[in-house]
Amino acid sequence: AAGVIQSPRHLIKEKRETATLKCYPIPRHDTVYWYQQGPGQDPQFLISFYEKMQSDKGSIPDRFSAQQFSDYHSELNMSSLELGDSALYFCASSFYGGSNYGYTFGSGTRLTVV
Amino acid sequence: GDSVTQMEGPVTLSEEAFLTINCTYTATGYPSLFWYVQYPGEGLQLLLKATKADDKGSNKGFEATYRKETTSFHLEKGSVQVSDSAVYFCALSDFSGGTSYGKLTFGQGTILTVHP
Repeated sequence: AAGVIQSPRHLIKEKRETATLKCYPIPRHDTVYWYQQGPGQDPQFLISFYEKMQSDKGSIPDRFSAQQFSDYHSELNMSSLELGDSALYFCASSFYGGSNYGYTFGSGTRLTVV
Repeated sequence: GDSVTQMEGPVTLSEEAFLTINCTYTATGYPSLFWYVQYPGEGLQLLLKATKADDKGSNKGFEATYRKETTSFHLEKGSVQVSDSAVYFCALSDFSGGTSYGKLTFGQGTILTVHP
């Protein structure tokens, strides 16, 4: 069965550079979520999109932006990278809120800022 | 806001021991509750879920019951295996069908190590 695809799997950037993370949800899923997981931490919600519109916003820095495209894939854009942005970034998708039908997580993108 | 609290500290057990990982939550609505498992270097995998009070989620020998009166969703397994060693996250979803779109709030995670 198709899963949530994230790319790239690993990314190394220098401070003050920019990074773009991509997420391809499961077909027919209408909601995409982004989470950030620091080393030894629990995942923190960043932002979500429902039917290509931003639906909720969490602890996402102003340096980050995201969008969902017409084909439902989503991109997380990160600028002026800081060492503290080093983390595992997960994307998840669901159908209609996820509570009854569940969420599927991608394998994550490990971002290292040096 | 919503929050999830898991028992602190790593858990170390011998194979075939009984496992309990406590999880309590605070939420304004009627959340759905989840347990996710994360193996080293991997993503989050759904272990089990419950969508309403008194529901019992179960999978691979793990069980958890949604207790609204105690706002708890404790994870249990009768006999753990070495392969169960992983990090376990309790989480809740705030989906309310129109005003919130189901973001997950996670607990701190519990590291489980099972020795042969």
